Amino acid sequence: DAKTTQPPSMDCAEGRAANLPCNHSTISGNEYVYWYRQIHSQGPQYIIHGLKNNETNEMASLIITEDRKSSTLILPHATLRDTAVYYCIVDTGTASKLTFGTGTRLQVTL
Amino acid sequence: DTGVSQNPRHKITKRGQNVTFRCDPISEHNRLYWYRQTLGQGPEFLTYFQNEAQLEKSRLLSDRFSAERPKGSFSTLEIQRTEQGDSAMYLCASNRRRGVSTNEKLFFGSGTQLSVL
Repeated sequence: DAKTTQPPSMDCAEGRAANLPCNHSTISGNEYVYWYRQIHSQGPQYIIHGLKNNETNEMASLIITEDRKSSTLILPHATLRDTAVYYCIVDTGTASKLTFGTGTRLQVTL
Repeated sequence: DTGVSQNPRHKITKRGQNVTFRCDPISEHNRLYWYRQTLGQGPEFLTYFQNEAQLEKSRLLSDRFSAERPKGSFSTLEIQRTEQGDSAMYLCASNRRRGVSTNEKLFFGSGTQLSVL
């Protein structure tokens, strides 16, 4: 599985958009980009995934560059409850044996 | 949908003792996964089941670890002769694999925090 690179931490003001970057320069053609987050003392929670096209759901938007070497997760209006560690993962999706890195710790502040 | 349930939430044991954790997946999910997470790190894959069959084990799963899913529903993870290095959060997850479908998102439980003294 391809490795990902994420900044270790980011801050965001409540109500503003949080843009979390991820580099995955060695991604293969059959690998998807997944985002999960983990709030303190809980298990990871699925957010969104995509292959080539940008994706949006009720939680977030995922923007994948045309060359697929990087992506950005966008939380359009961050709240204090979005404070968590966000993991960017690339995987073929066939067996869900996800390889988590150390993620980005997002701190949403007042 | 009651979510993935794990018991106990916390376990404190002495080095050398055996421990067992239980995971109850979401009822219609045929795949069940175990992950381990140490402080400051992301979860690491240990093993997974499809129904009662254990399909893959990570090399992280030493011979002191054994996982079962005897009736294809709940699963247990046993650690024999615990060591201090086994202290971690043990996470269970499940999803439903239908035919050749992919990208079935994982639903995680809240984990069992093991502390080996």
